[in-house]
Amino acid sequence: IVLTQSPDTLSLSPGERATLSCRASHSINTYLAWYQQKPGQAPRLLIYEASNRATGIPARFSGSGSGTDFTLTISSLESEDFAVYFCQQRRTWPLTFGGGTKIEIK
Amino acid sequence: EVQLVQSGGGLVQPGGSLRLSCAGSGLSVSGNYMSWVRQAPGKGLEWVSVIYRGGGTQHADSVKGRFTISRDDSRNTLYLQMDSLRTEDAAVYYCASHLVEGLTTYNFFDSWGQGTLVSVSS
Repeated sequence: IVLTQSPDTLSLSPGERATLSCRASHSINTYLAWYQQKPGQAPRLLIYEASNRATGIPARFSGSGSGTDFTLTISSLESEDFAVYFCQQRRTWPLTFGGGTKIEIK
Repeated sequence: EVQLVQSGGGLVQPGGSLRLSCAGSGLSVSGNYMSWVRQAPGKGLEWVSVIYRGGGTQHADSVKGRFTISRDDSRNTLYLQMDSLRTEDAAVYYCASHLVEGLTTYNFFDSWGQGTLVSVSS
């Protein structure tokens, strides 16, 4: 299953709302996760099963969607949120990731 | 606190071999599904291999027959034996544990090692 993320880059200011998209080539129900990765660090799990926040993840992060179209929303960007975000599906093997969306400071 | 501490990696010639290690603390490597995920420089993430609680394994087609995932329960350590390395295997390799919520294990990754760089070049 191919996951396509858009846009490649999002230029936003702190306090603004970020909306990231992940589209699957086939239906994956709600079997999708979102990760955040900062330079030189391992990814961090944010959202699983499309809309469940992982332990310790702030409420400003939310996920939605099912089937083939998914969205990660950051309601109000904090300075530490500028990073790269990946989606990942668990519907079929091999597990696959999207190409990533970078949120950069405008 | 869960910690996965990786070691191994480095520079190897094409066709060579390397073994990566991932020592767990705060979690049981044998009691969890564990995977290796890699990331080529400046690129996205690619799942590589998984080992299940029962010891069964699965590998991505790109590494099948060349890489072997295993674990040593007495050392609480996960391994990735990489043979017949190719230039396209060059990446940062992460070990990761699969998410457990209640009695359900999900094929998502909630704890990660720090990553180890594998370079393949002559």
